Amino acid sequence: DTAVSQTPKYLVTQMGNDKSIKCEQNLGHDTMYWYKQDSKKFLKIMFSYNNKELIINETVPNRFSPKSPDKAHLNLHINSLELGDSAVYFCASSLRDRGETQYFGPGTRLLVL
Amino acid sequence: GEDVEQSLFLSVREGDSSVINCTYTDSSSTYLYWYKQEPGAGLQLLTYIFSNMDMKQDQRLTVLLNKKDKHLSLRIADTQTGDSAIYFCAERFDRGSTLGRLYFGRGTQLTVWP
Repeated sequence: DTAVSQTPKYLVTQMGNDKSIKCEQNLGHDTMYWYKQDSKKFLKIMFSYNNKELIINETVPNRFSPKSPDKAHLNLHINSLELGDSAVYFCASSLRDRGETQYFGPGTRLLVL
Repeated sequence: GEDVEQSLFLSVREGDSSVINCTYTDSSSTYLYWYKQEPGAGLQLLTYIFSNMDMKQDQRLTVLLNKKDKHLSLRIADTQTGDSAIYFCAERFDRGSTLGRLYFGRGTQLTVWP
């Protein structure tokens, strides 16, 4: 009965590798987001998709590529991982016509060595 | 709209009231939110207030909004040790390309002492 789920919960990898984080929501929402939380807990939006269409794309390196196969899924692929990519990545979802209150997943803790 | 300010730390004794303050920047923000993050967990939506309201109460939580001063506060009555967490204030923008974007403060670490 999890509303917004992410996999994996923890990800430890070497610099230069390529990795993906998956997100799924079962709330029937039409908009999904990726946020990055740094070591100082600062939370900043990276991407947003509405009905599989990219609507927010912050200044994020091209190494980050979101993919939305359908409205319930938004995956994040990261190429050539760097030390500075270490952070907690949160997925969120909302329903555009219902005040867009965003519901967050549990986060994926990425550590790049 | 990217300067949502919160104090970083707040300590209270169990049973006391906690008040967490936030200032935001854009008077056209439509919704303002409070999220709670427990250690190692995701963000949990606590409550939100629409910009045309001054106050919202939900059990132990009271949200006050002063639009003139762009000031938002969250009061937790009878604070318990289980309330210890980081509390994030967020404002939502609904203008042009920023439609639906949330800007978060850096969070207030609330510590409740028994």
